[in-house]
Amino acid sequence: AQKVTQAQTEISVVEKEDVTLDCVYETRDTTYYLFWYKQPPSGELVFLIRRNSFDEQNEISGRYSWNFQKSTSSFNFTITASQVVDSAVYFCALSEVSGNTGKLIFGQGTTLQVKP
Amino acid sequence: DGGITQSPKYLFRKEGQNVTLSCEQNLNHDAMYWYRQDPGQGLRLIYYSQIVNDFQKGDIAEGYSVSREKKESFPLTVTSAQKNPTAFYLCASRPRQGHGYTFGSGTRLTVV
Repeated sequence: AQKVTQAQTEISVVEKEDVTLDCVYETRDTTYYLFWYKQPPSGELVFLIRRNSFDEQNEISGRYSWNFQKSTSSFNFTITASQVVDSAVYFCALSEVSGNTGKLIFGQGTTLQVKP
Repeated sequence: DGGITQSPKYLFRKEGQNVTLSCEQNLNHDAMYWYRQDPGQGLRLIYYSQIVNDFQKGDIAEGYSVSREKKESFPLTVTSAQKNPTAFYLCASRPRQGHGYTFGSGTRLTVV
């Protein structure tokens, strides 16, 4: 069965610290997509990244970077030099291609608090 | 601009009443989804629809109903059979092929 686990419930850092959010997934499919979303206090989900299972290249986008490792079924997210505006709930999600239902399986979310 | 509109943003209802949450998209997306979020938990799938006049149950469909009479609209009814309806509800859509999801801004339902 598919499952996404974000073991870190809450993380608190001081501004300018680097922080890594962990995500481990389970799936029997060989083709799937992984996502990270940010949910600020207003509630909407902000898309951060999508990665397909055949692309294990790490990605950097400004202060954000993602480390995808199929060998350990992990898709971790690092924020470098964190800022107060990064405070939010972050969700990792999995979507399997088989059946083309497009269902997203979400982790429990990690609440990140960045203190000034 | 294209997007998903959920209304209302906040909704209060008395226990035992049915309530319908609206979700409208102008993205021409085929598939639409309803998710429920409880505090400290991830989003869980309630119902989804991949085509007009067809929909399937998600993981927590009990106490909910949906319809998909138009491509643009996917309303969710929270019935009195739903034991704990107070939650944050998010609607999403995506094109038939592809994995680019668009989410609405959500409806926070409180049942008193």
